[in-house]
Amino acid sequence: EDKVVQSPLSLVVHEGDTVTLNCSYEVTNFRSLLWYKQEKKAPTFLFMLTSSGIEKKSGRLSSILDKKELFSILNITATQTGDSAIYLCAVEAFSRGAQKLVFGQGTRLTINP
Amino acid sequence: DSGVTQTPKHLITATGQRVTLRCSPRSGDLSVYWYQQSLDQGLQFLIQYYNGEERAKGNILERFSAQQFPDLHSELNLSSLELGDSALYFCASSATQQGGETQYFGPGTRLLVL
Repeated sequence: EDKVVQSPLSLVVHEGDTVTLNCSYEVTNFRSLLWYKQEKKAPTFLFMLTSSGIEKKSGRLSSILDKKELFSILNITATQTGDSAIYLCAVEAFSRGAQKLVFGQGTRLTINP
Repeated sequence: DSGVTQTPKHLITATGQRVTLRCSPRSGDLSVYWYQQSLDQGLQFLIQYYNGEERAKGNILERFSAQQFPDLHSELNLSSLELGDSALYFCASSATQQGGETQYFGPGTRLLVL
């Protein structure tokens, strides 16, 4: 059964700290791994990773994928209160001619001022 | 604003009833995905349609069905509703059915079954 596990489930840090969120997966026919940020509404897309070892970066956020060890990390530096959200990791698998997206349970990140 | 629209925003109904949720994808997107997000289950993939045809099925109950119309909007039908069906239902769209496509989520429909 396809599985995506995120850790930690919840994280509370102070503004300015750096955080690392983890996502490990076991799926058949891996295609890509995606990170989303969900505040009080719909998830918004952050990154898509398809190749191992390549870092995707956007401002204070960066992510890397390790296809050999089947995990990804999302790093946020110099955190701000606006970074408080649930961060979702999803893995795209291709099975029986169709794409399927499997989500992890999310990491709830709280940034205290 | 992702460009994906969903109606209604909120829906309150009773057990045993049937409801229809509607989704309009981003302009030009051919794929529509439905997800259910509840407090205890997290985000669960339900079903995907591409250009009017079903392409993938996830954890969708037999009481639920969906379809995509020629104008590419999609409807998710939930019948014989149970208390446990209370959740946030998201629709997402992407341009193709192929791998590596980014999905854009709508604002969701919050369903409460009493």
